[in-house]
Amino acid sequence: NAGVMQNPRHLVRRRGQEARLRCSPMKGHSHVYWYRQLPEEGLKFMVYLQKENIIDESGMPKERFSAEFPKEGPSILRIQQVVRGDSAAYFCASSPPAGTGDGYTFGSGTRLTVV
Amino acid sequence: AQTVTQSQPEMSVQEAETVTLSCTYDTSESNYYLFWYKQPPSRQMILVIRQEAYKQQNATENRFSVNFQKAAKSFSLKISDSQLGDTAMYFCAFMRGGSNYKLTFGKGTLLTVNP
Repeated sequence: NAGVMQNPRHLVRRRGQEARLRCSPMKGHSHVYWYRQLPEEGLKFMVYLQKENIIDESGMPKERFSAEFPKEGPSILRIQQVVRGDSAAYFCASSPPAGTGDGYTFGSGTRLTVV
Repeated sequence: AQTVTQSQPEMSVQEAETVTLSCTYDTSESNYYLFWYKQPPSRQMILVIRQEAYKQQNATENRFSVNFQKAAKSFSLKISDSQLGDTAMYFCAFMRGGSNYKLTFGKGTLLTVNP
């Protein structure tokens, strides 16, 4: 029973390029969350998605960032025209229907480095 | 908005001894959940323990236990018989109850267990 799978584990992008981060939730989980961890900080909520729906994107920067969770395939966090300040670890988590924190499982994260 | 404060950026303990990590939070909610997560160097976020605010009994998981003081909004983690594998960043986190899903994290405490 695989956990939450994120890839790539490490991603290096030059300023101005696009970054695509992938997340496959745990089997049976239909809710996906993305968090960002800046150096020396805790994780900060970015977006909550269900299949084909964005439920809450209140933590997403208004520009350059987008997320999707299609009917088939993994959830994608996309960052266009990356800048140095986007360098961080990006974590995906999944859960059964939300509410209690039960079954909320994190992946191992993608470390994005912008050079 | 909820806030979570961890006032100890770093702590160290000798192997086999006991250590307590502090966490305070601020909320006007009465129904919520509190968590401690461990993040070892592998970067994986691992749930250590979970507390439901409406339960007066403190949660325990093997060598890990909490001291939940609801009136004081305090949620400390006690690790007994510390092991080298306990070396990690520890994050305290808050989630509102009801149909909620967003975790709010503290900045973390780096715990080092010395041989």
